Amino acid sequence: AQSVTQPDIHITVSEGASLELRCNYSYGATPYLFWYVQSPGQGLQLLLKYFSGDTLVQGIKGFEAEFKRSQSSFNLRKPSVHWSDAAEYFCAVGAENTNAGKSTFGDGTTLTVKP
Amino acid sequence: EAGVAQSPRYKIIEKRQSVAFWCNPISGHATLYWYQQILGQGPKLLIQFQNNGVVDDSQLPKDRFSAERLKGVDSTLKIQPAKLEDSAVYLCASSSTVRDTEAFFGQGTRLTVV
Repeated sequence: AQSVTQPDIHITVSEGASLELRCNYSYGATPYLFWYVQSPGQGLQLLLKYFSGDTLVQGIKGFEAEFKRSQSSFNLRKPSVHWSDAAEYFCAVGAENTNAGKSTFGDGTTLTVKP
Repeated sequence: EAGVAQSPRYKIIEKRQSVAFWCNPISGHATLYWYQQILGQGPKLLIQFQNNGVVDDSQLPKDRFSAERLKGVDSTLKIQPAKLEDSAVYLCASSSTVRDTEAFFGQGTRLTVV
């Protein structure tokens, strides 16, 4: 069975600073990997996904993530954080050739942005 | 394109009462999911439908939870009787096919059991 670990429960960064959110997964085969963002009172919005190919994935809102098989990681990055990026971020892993909605989620990282 | 609609947005009930949540997926989406998100945790899949059939309900506590999608469109998730530990946000999501690459989530129903 697959699992996801997000080691950082809460991260605070200053507006304009760079951001990296960590995600480690456990899965025996080639995983499908996702990052979602959840603002208060809202559902989950997909930021980016990795299925195969280029290990550096570009997403919406200026986010990117890099798949590193040797480290079982899929860290999310943004070069310059905006105040509107404050939210909760979830990494998720799915089994190969299964539906994107059938994923195992990490427990999330809450991002606070200081002015 | 309208998103996934869920109602109600909030619900407070006493333990041992019953409650039902409703979900209307994106038009044309054959696959529908219900997730439970307990405070401080990530969403956990409860059940997956493909049209009006259940694909996976292995994580659904069937002694108290039930779900249906009779006409392959709207879905209802029911809890009877509710326990304190059922307090959570219940998220509905939909996707277009069995092996698509993106699921779309509704805003969720926040349930508080007192």
